[in-house]
Amino acid sequence: ETGVTQSPTHLIKTRGQQVTLRCSSQSGHNTVSWYQQALGQGPQFIFQYYREEENGRGNFPPRFSGLQFPNYSSELNVNALELDDSALYLCASSFSGVNSPLHFGNGTRLTVT
Amino acid sequence: GESVGLHLPTLSVQEGDNSIINCAYSNSASDYFIWYKQESGKGPQFIIDIRSNMDKRQGQRVTVLLNKTVKHLSLQIAATQPGDSAVYFCAENDRGGGADGLTFGKGTHLIIQP
Repeated sequence: ETGVTQSPTHLIKTRGQQVTLRCSSQSGHNTVSWYQQALGQGPQFIFQYYREEENGRGNFPPRFSGLQFPNYSSELNVNALELDDSALYLCASSFSGVNSPLHFGNGTRLTVT
Repeated sequence: GESVGLHLPTLSVQEGDNSIINCAYSNSASDYFIWYKQESGKGPQFIIDIRSNMDKRQGQRVTVLLNKTVKHLSLQIAATQPGDSAVYFCAENDRGGGADGLTFGKGTHLIIQP
């Protein structure tokens, strides 16, 4: 069974730029979620995708957007990067049943300078 | 949404002792609770979950207790080992684990003393 994989592992961007982060879901999972984890904090929910559509969103502005592909892989796009966007971005996948826990990847560490 | 919090930022225990990590939540509508372990440089790793229709659930060396009356959740780790050193997060959801996402607490750093 292949776990959740994310790429790249580290990324440095300049304020105002755009970034795309990628995620491959765990095999058998059809739902993907993205979380932002600031240093020393717990992860914060950005949004969730199911059947290639966003079906839940946390308190993040529209410049955070995503995609889910037919093979259940996913992208997180962030436009107009701000310094406060520096964080660990975590992708998690699950099966759509209500008793299915999220399984996380090891994240992408984004630094905005 | 309402927040989930942890009582202690750091917990230090002797190797071989039992560890108890506590968590308070404020959302009375929460119906799904989950514990994660996060080691340095890694993503959160699922430990155990529990639904609000239960008050106790056991796994391998771990037990989760849920007290809905006082909105309290705890994780017990038996015979703590050096590999248990990590930050532990509790998280909750009030839509059956669905599309609103999990709300995480800030985490407790568990330190194992030799």
